[in-house]
Parts: sequence; structure tokens; C-alpha cells
Amino acid sequence: DTEVTQTPKHLVMGMTNKKSLKCEQHMGHRAMYWYKQKAKKPPELMFVYSYEKLSINESVPSRFSPECPNSSLLNLHLHALQPEDSALYLCASSRTGTSVTGELFFGEGSRLTVL
Amino acid sequence: AQSVTQPDIHITVSEGASLELRCNYSYGATPYLFWYVQSPGQGLQLLLKYFSGDTLVQGIKGFEAEFKRSQSSFNLRKPSVHWSDAAEYFCAVVPAYNNNDMRFGAGTRLTVKP
Repeated sequence: DTEVTQTPKHLVMGMTNKKSLKCEQHMGHRAMYWYKQKAKKPPELMFVYSYEKLSINESVPSRFSPECPNSSLLNLHLHALQPEDSALYLCASSRTGTSVTGELFFGEGSRLTVL
Repeated sequence: AQSVTQPDIHITVSEGASLELRCNYSYGATPYLFWYVQSPGQGLQLLLKYFSGDTLVQGIKGFEAEFKRSQSSFNLRKPSVHWSDAAEYFCAVVPAYNNNDMRFGAGTRLTVKP
């Protein structure tokens, strides 16, 4: 069982919809991450929220916006997505805010389909 | 250019046979190295990691990996594969200068024949 919980597991949305993906961890970790994974491809980092600071992969379009309500939650707001945004979205957390001194703990992912 | 390479896209082995998955990296300084496994539709699970010290590291599920600085490699091995090992395997690196930037190789899909 994963200790990083992602909801929903599956989401189908139209290009004009607004939806959100949620991620929660109760391990006291200080950093949380969103990755995007296309089929048969490796995960690609989208956002890092570490010690109350957000880092953004500059290649991520503005139709994706992260929100961190508290240290245990990291949401990903979706608006006006395109069909090519269909992918598995993975949330992860790490203990100290670095990928090095602690492993990344991944959730099971949210499968997004944009029609 | 900095990169992490997994040369084998797909490997098929018979159950009980040995396994080696290759990973090479190209970074100015030795990065921190990881192997993750992903079952279909699931998240990633850490198998093992290398930061420093003993170049042969042991992981979960009977996996081990050997860091070879001279070859810039971090190959994953298992002496006897089980059918449940069928999955996608990702090598990952974190540059020493940017601890929040984990980069993944393209992955190797492992099929296990009965």
C-alpha cells in the first residue's frame, strides 16, 4: 500500500472543463512533486513544492497550476486542457525536500483522459 | 549533454534465469543513482539507491546494482527472475548540484516467460 494517496484514480474531462487532481501524504514529508507520464515514456517533472517554495518546470503550460493548501496536500488544477495532456499524473513526496537524502515515495497515479 | 540512458527498451527472460538491466549516465560529476520499478498503471517503487560508499548495493525483492565509475554505469541485476518481476524498470539520477531534479531513463520493459 502506498502512503501517498491520489484522487481520483481516473478522470475524463472535456477541453473546456475545470478539474483538479489531489495528492495527500501523512508521512511528514517536506517536499511534494507532480510528474507527468505518457504511455511507454518515463515520468517528467512538472512541479516541486519544497519548504513552502514552488519550483516549476518551465516547459509546463499554464493550463496546469499547482496548489499547496498545507504541507500534506498538493493539488493540481486543470483548465482548458488539450487531448495531448492525456497521461498518467504521478504525485510523489520526499522526507527532507531533496531527492537525494530520501527516496521519492510515489502515489499510484491519476489517469487523465482529455476528450 | 547530461543524460541517463537505458539501452534496452524490452528484455525477455525465462523464469529462473538471471537478469541484468543496463543504465549509463552522462554527467560531469557522479550523480546520485536510483532504480525504480513500475507495474502497469501503478506508481513507481524504489528498488535501490546509490549515494556513495560500497559500489554494490542491495535492494528489495532480491535485486542488486553495481556502480562502476569507469564505465558511468549502474546496472541492475537479479540472479533468478520470478514471473512477478515482469514490469517496467526505470533508472534515475539526481545531479549533485540540483537535488530536486530527478531524471529518469526511458525505461526497460521486462517480460518473463514461464
